[in-house]
Amino acid sequence: DAKTTQPPSMDCAEGRAANLPCNHSTISGNEYVYWYRQIHSQGPQYIIHGLKNNETNEMASLIITEDRKSSTLILPHATLRDTAVYYCIVRAAREETSGSRLTFGEGTQLTVNP
Amino acid sequence: DTEVTQTPKHLVMGMTNKKSLKCEQHMGHRAMYWYKQKAKKPPELMFVYSYEKLSINESVPSRFSPECPNSSLLNLHLHALQPEDSALYLCASSQDRQARKTQYFGPGTRLLVL
Repeated sequence: DAKTTQPPSMDCAEGRAANLPCNHSTISGNEYVYWYRQIHSQGPQYIIHGLKNNETNEMASLIITEDRKSSTLILPHATLRDTAVYYCIVRAAREETSGSRLTFGEGTQLTVNP
Repeated sequence: DTEVTQTPKHLVMGMTNKKSLKCEQHMGHRAMYWYKQKAKKPPELMFVYSYEKLSINESVPSRFSPECPNSSLLNLHLHALQPEDSALYLCASSQDRQARKTQYFGPGTRLLVL
């Protein structure tokens, strides 16, 4: 799986958009970009994933650059409950190799301030 | 419903004890996973079951013994653990092992080995 690079920490004001970047410059054409978050001492929570196109759901938007070498997770109106570690993960599409794996990096600690 | 349940929530055991962790899902998922998460570190994959058969063992010591008695249930049997095995143990499930199928996590069992 391609390696990802995320800033170790970010701050955001409550009510503002939180934009979390992820670099995955070695991503290959069949690899998905997944985002999870983990609130302190809880299990990781799925947020969103994409392959090539931008995606939006009720939690967030995922913007993937045209060359797919980086992506940004956008939380449009951050709340205090969005304070968590956010993980950007690249997964190979081939089941028989590493498609099963979620290989977590160190993630970004997002702190939403009042 | 994307719920994965894990019991117990907390477990304290001695190095000579035998205990088991339980994970359950009723989403009809046919892939189930065990991850281990040490304090302040990201989760790391331990085992993958696909259609009740063990498909990936990430070189986990034999003192951890997984079992998948049916498609809804995943156990992790623990025996002769060491204090360094203290961690949060996370279970996850997905429809199957393909990368485009999202893994959903349970809340975890926090294990302390004395």
